Amino acid sequence: HSALTQPASVSGSPGQSITIPCTGTSSDVGGYNFVSWYQLHPGKAPKLIIYDVSNRPSGVSNRFSGSKSGNTASLTISGLQAEDEATYYCSSYTSSGTLVFVFGGGTRLTVL
Amino acid sequence: EVQLMESGGGLVQPGGSLRLSCAASGFTFSNYYMQWVRQVPGKGLVWVSRITNDGGVTNYADSVQGRFTISRDNAKNTVYLQMNSLRAEDTAVYYCARDFNFTLDYWGQGVLVTVSS
Repeated sequence: HSALTQPASVSGSPGQSITIPCTGTSSDVGGYNFVSWYQLHPGKAPKLIIYDVSNRPSGVSNRFSGSKSGNTASLTISGLQAEDEATYYCSSYTSSGTLVFVFGGGTRLTVL
Repeated sequence: EVQLMESGGGLVQPGGSLRLSCAASGFTFSNYYMQWVRQVPGKGLVWVSRITNDGGVTNYADSVQGRFTISRDNAKNTVYLQMNSLRAEDTAVYYCARDFNFTLDYWGQGVLVTVSS
């Protein structure tokens, strides 16, 4: 059981936009702006694509954007490209128990 | 260029021990917290442990508390994960990552740990 809830999969056609939600609680997503998103391609190191809810690191395409409302954060990818096909994970700082960091279960994006 | 390189993985029997290392370069290592995250094959990312920049404070997931120990040597730009009393469910790819204000901004390629008899 993952601490943050993401859909297992989403799909979209090239050029379309998709949104991946990430639902937590007031102890993590809802309570802090330390929400990040990571892109994982098989066999490669995870890549940070969004931090502090909505900030993009240098070099990350502006097709990636993040937002938050209440206990749910969201990642939106616009203008889908074949190279976006990957698994995306959200994460958040948490004040719950002994944990420091929590991840979502991951969302597999398929570009049709 | 920031680089993180894990090593020390491999096959170990249940109950055994293993020490992972993560060598860092391209940044002032002593200024950053560091973390370990693992991924069971086919499953999601799971946070394992964090250490502050001076090594003074460490945190662990409940599943590894008391069995794993995170440490660092700032003179060698290396963070370690000592794993004892290993179980089959510890089988995973282990990643080290740089922690910048609760953001894991750089990750290593990961190292596979297999716990099996």
